[in-house]
This record gives sequence, C-alpha cells and structure tokens, in this order.
Amino acid sequence: AQSVTQPDIHITVSEGASLELRCNYSYGATPYLFWYVQSPGQGLQLLLKYFSGDTLVQGIKGFEAEFKRSQSSFNLRKPSVHWSDAAEYFCAVGATGFQKLVFGTGTRLLVSP
Amino acid sequence: DSGVTQTPKHLITATGQRVTLRCSPRSGDLSVYWYQQSLDQGLQFLIQYYNGEERAKGNILERFSAQQFPDLHSELNLSSLELGDSALYFCASSVGGQGNYGYTFGSGTRLTVV
Repeated sequence: AQSVTQPDIHITVSEGASLELRCNYSYGATPYLFWYVQSPGQGLQLLLKYFSGDTLVQGIKGFEAEFKRSQSSFNLRKPSVHWSDAAEYFCAVGATGFQKLVFGTGTRLLVSP
Repeated sequence: DSGVTQTPKHLITATGQRVTLRCSPRSGDLSVYWYQQSLDQGLQFLIQYYNGEERAKGNILERFSAQQFPDLHSELNLSSLELGDSALYFCASSVGGQGNYGYTFGSGTRLTVV
C-alpha cells in the first residue's frame, strides 16, 4: 500500500523568502502525486499534480514541485512567499488500481512579516 | 467555489444522536469520496461511491453509513455519536471511479458532538 510522509509539522518563512515543503512517498511503481492547500476553515484546493512526463510540475499560485524517483520525493517549492500563502499543505499519493488518495499529515506554513 | 457542495457547514449535536451530512458532487463527476479530518488522525478515507454503488471502504466505523442516490448526491449518516466523532467531514468528487487522478473537495461539514 502507498504511504506519504511529510516530515515537517510546522514551517515558518519570512515574507518574500523562498519555500520548500518536503514530501516522501512509498509506492513500488510510478505514483500519482498531488499537493493540496487548506486555508483555515476551508476545504482542500488542488495546487498541482504529477502523473508522468516532465518531473518539474507547475501549479497555481506560483507553486511548483519536482518528482525525484531516486529519492521518492515530491517537494513543493515557491520562490517568494506571500502572507496569503499561510495555510496547511498536504501531499497525497494515488496509484493505478487504488480508488483513494492517501494523504500525508500536513505541514502548517506560517509567514512572518 | 469548487463545485462540490456540502451541507450543513456546521453541526452541533449531543452524544448518542444521529446526523446526516449531505454532499452534491461537481457536475459530471460520478464518484463521491468521504474523508474525516481530525487533529489526531489527520485525513482519513471513509468510503467511496461510484455511480450509486459502493466502490471502496476505508476506516469507516460500523456506526457510520453512506449512500449515493440516482442524482449522484451522497449522504453520510453518523449514528450513536460519541465525543470522538467531532471532526471535519469532507466530501470530494471525481469523474471516474478511481481517485488516482485526483479529486475536488467540498468545503466540509464541521461536526461538534457535545
């Protein structure tokens, strides 16, 4: 069965600084990988997804993620963080033949002025 | 607006009671997924319906049940409620029967059991 690890529970970044959120997955074949963002009191919004092809994926709100098979990672990046990016970020993995997505425990991003 | 509609947004009820959460999927989506989000358990998959039939079951308690109706809306029934059932309940939908291509979430129902 697939699984996802987000090693950082909280991350604080200064506004304007770069951001990298870590995600490691466990799955034997090529996974389907996702990043979702959840603002307080809101549902989860899809930021980006990777199925195949180019390992660098562009998403909404200026986010990107890179799939690295050798490291089983799918880290989320943003070159310059805005205060409105403060939220909780979830990495998720899916796989062919599996109905559900499996989510990591999330990383809460705090943005300092 | 994601296109997935969940009602009610908030629900406060007493232990031992029964509640029904409702979800209307995005137009054209045939699958509905239910997730429970709590502080200690994170996002837990409960159950999936595809075009009216149960497709996958996760960590859903026997006190909980769900169904998907011919118009594709879904209801999650929670009975004999306990304090520990307090959580955010999300519904998500997708076009196909497999979630591996990702799905769209509703804004959730916050259930508080007192």
